[in-house]
Amino acid sequence: GAVVSQHPSWVICKSGTSVKIECRSLDFQATTMFWYRQFPKQSLMLMATSNEGSKATYEQGVEKDKFLINHASLTLSTLTVTSAHPEDSSFYICSARVSTPSGNTIYFGEGSWLTVV
Amino acid sequence: GQSLEQPSEVTAVEGAIVQINCTYQTSGFYGLSWYQQHDGGAPTFLSYNALDGLEETGRFSSFLSRSDSYGYLLLQELQMKDSASYFCAVGSGTYKYIFGTGTRLKVLA
Repeated sequence: GAVVSQHPSWVICKSGTSVKIECRSLDFQATTMFWYRQFPKQSLMLMATSNEGSKATYEQGVEKDKFLINHASLTLSTLTVTSAHPEDSSFYICSARVSTPSGNTIYFGEGSWLTVV
Repeated sequence: GQSLEQPSEVTAVEGAIVQINCTYQTSGFYGLSWYQQHDGGAPTFLSYNALDGLEETGRFSSFLSRSDSYGYLLLQELQMKDSASYFCAVGSGTYKYIFGTGTRLKVLA
């Protein structure tokens, strides 16, 4: 079963509205989560690193006021796309890092398809 | 800047062997990983190399040469279900991952 759950799987919203995507770690605590965006047939682009209890670290070129990230608990990070526009339509995917005795492992959520009309 | 380069597309027939190369240029290096992604799905982990050499996991093997900033994924006994996009990714600081451009593999019957 999934160890990282993402919701919603797909969402359609009107231009100018805001959309929230949730990323939950199941059965483990994730102090660090990552948010990616993927346009069709392109690579995953890291948007930001979400750290529990502190501000997210955004990659160069990503508008922090447009893509709000909140990591309020050890099992939940949210990405809010504010004032969405059609060019924000994309596949958004999160991942979580879990530390084990053998090292660190990254688990991906199922991804969320956002369509802005 | 940071970049990972892969061939955009590779085509092979069932039962064949295919190699997908990845060259990288990153500010930090915490290992090279490979992911498989079917259309519309999330990436799934295939392999990880932290040290130079070959790692074998079933039909898939992955190689790393840190001095050459180069790695490859080797897929043997290709099956139709292997048709997907394959991404290399480098851990670059605080275990955040930078992904390659992706290689679309088409397996023909």
